[in-house]
Amino acid sequence: DGGITQSPKYLFRKEGQNVTLSCEQNLNHDAMYWYRQDPGQGLRLIYYSQIVNDFQKGDIAEGYSVSREKKESFPLTVTSAQKNPTAFYLCASTLASSHNEQFFGPGTRLTVL
Amino acid sequence: AQTVTQSQPEMSVQEAETVTLSCTYDTSENNYYLFWYKQPPSRQMILVIRQEAYKQQNATENRFSVNFQKAAKSFSLKISDSQLGDTAMYFCAFMKFTGTYKYIFGTGTRLKVLA
Repeated sequence: DGGITQSPKYLFRKEGQNVTLSCEQNLNHDAMYWYRQDPGQGLRLIYYSQIVNDFQKGDIAEGYSVSREKKESFPLTVTSAQKNPTAFYLCASTLASSHNEQFFGPGTRLTVL
Repeated sequence: AQTVTQSQPEMSVQEAETVTLSCTYDTSENNYYLFWYKQPPSRQMILVIRQEAYKQQNATENRFSVNFQKAAKSFSLKISDSQLGDTAMYFCAFMKFTGTYKYIFGTGTRLKVLA
């Protein structure tokens, strides 16, 4: 079945540690996205990538980094520079077409201890 | 910059009744796309319905329909015959292609369907 997978589902991190969230898709989508979801704030864009080896900062990129070495994969690293990393993180992808729908992964809940 | 506003943080509706969730947006563009997404307690985001701005006809998907008022920049979602499984967060989203596909989401409306 085609879809987007994110791992792990739950992640705990100590302060000062970097952590990487995985996002993989087998939908052959060109564009991939990372969002952060906090209560009452909807989805805020962290980074996005339209093609392999290229990505752009979203609205809240500070303290995060990404890579896009393969079309299927778009990992997000939450660095120690991110002041308040505890949140729910969603990965999404889009196929450029007349539909332009975003498909979402199941999300990763990151908690900083 | 485009913005999306959902002015109803929480709503409730009796099972089998109809409810309307509101969404307004701000843009100077003429061609764009609008979406409603549902996020149930599992937190998996699911597309409910989409609307292309160039289409005058309101989109419909079974019990879900929209009232798209382009001049007023309004995009409300109507859920008919509400079911317990409709209980979820609903997000309105705007997308305009400008060389990249970038989506802007509202803050969401938490809908509870009461038995």
